[in-house]
Parts: sequence; structure tokens; C-alpha cells
Amino acid sequence: GDSVTQMEGPVTLSEEAFLTINCTYTATGYPSLFWYVQYPGEGLQLLLKATKADDKGSNKGFEATYRKETTSFHLEKGSVQVSDSAVYFCALSDYQGAQKLVFGQGTRLTINP
Amino acid sequence: DGGITQSPKYLFRKEGQNVTLSCEQNLNHDAMYWYRQDPGQGLRLIYYSQIVNDFQKGDIAEGYSVSREKKESFPLTVTSAQKNPTAFYLCASSHWGTSGKETQYFGPGTRLLVL
Repeated sequence: GDSVTQMEGPVTLSEEAFLTINCTYTATGYPSLFWYVQYPGEGLQLLLKATKADDKGSNKGFEATYRKETTSFHLEKGSVQVSDSAVYFCALSDYQGAQKLVFGQGTRLTINP
Repeated sequence: DGGITQSPKYLFRKEGQNVTLSCEQNLNHDAMYWYRQDPGQGLRLIYYSQIVNDFQKGDIAEGYSVSREKKESFPLTVTSAQKNPTAFYLCASSHWGTSGKETQYFGPGTRLLVL
């Protein structure tokens, strides 16, 4: 079945550092890919998405490019802030009779001032 | 403002008790979903519904039940058959489609604790 693998956390960085969170996927079809962010005690918020190969999703300084050849969707940000501290989830959606999201295990990010 | 509301924010369950978690959306979405989140893990799908009066089991439906009598509402009941109910429960909704491209939007969650 479909699956998503994220780099293990936790990840700790200093403010203004460059961020990469790796995400790779396995899917039988042509999935759409998503990054969600979860702040402490809250639900998930959509951060960005890409629906076909070579698409780049971007939002709030975060970017991710849908790489079909490497089955990857790595999240990047050039200069992180303390407010970016959260848990980040990579997910895929591949319609097979129903639209269901398959999530990675999440990566906890902490940014120190 | 459009969105998804879940209540209560915290819920306590006694042994042998059934409890119901509420989920309401005013986004005019056809599809609704329930996920369970355990500490340090990703989300797992419990049940989903694509239209009113229809719902399907997800990956971990045992010990749970749902109903979909109205488009806006998708309550989840955690029954006494669910032996390990302590978790964070998230409701989501989306437009229904067959492309897999639709975005799911999430509510703020309900934390269920066992007394």
C-alpha cells in the first residue's frame, strides 16, 4: 500500500538557519503531496501542496518540489524563526475509490533564539 | 468565518462508557473524516464519509462508530469495545472528488482521556 517516510526528529536549529525536512513516498498511482503543520495542542493546518510532478508548493517562506524520479517532497525554508517551532507532517493522497490521506510520522522542529 | 469545530476540547471516559465526539463544518464540504493521533505518531484514519447517510471504515475502525445524518455533522462515538481510547482525535473535511487533489481541512481536535 501507499506509504510516507519522513526524516526522524526531533530537529533543533538556531534562528535564521536553513531548514530541510526530508520526505519520501511510495504510491501505486499519481498522488498529490501535502505538508501540514501542527502547533502544540492544535489541529493540523495545510502548509503547502503539489498535485503533479515538478510542481513546487510554497507558503510562508516554505517550499517543496514534487520529484517523481526520486519519489520525494522535501520541505525547505531559507531562514527559520522561533515561531516555526511545530510538528510537520508530510502526506499523500491517491484516489483509490475514496480520497484518503496517508501521513508520515511527523517531525518535531524546535527553533532556538 | 468558515471552518470546522470540534467539541469538547477535552473529554474523560470511564471504564465501560461510550462517549461521543462532535464535529461540525460550515465549509459546504461533502466529505468528512475522523483521524486518531497517538503521541509521536502520524494520523490514522478511523472512518470517512463521502456523502450524507453513507460512511466507510478506515484503517482502525474497531471500537468506533459514526453517523452522517446531515452534511454539516459527523459525530464519532468511542465505544466500550475500544480498549485503548486515550488519544487526540481530529476531524477533517474536503470537497469530494476523484482526482485525489482535494485538500482536507482539519478541526482543532478533541483530547480523550480515560479515568
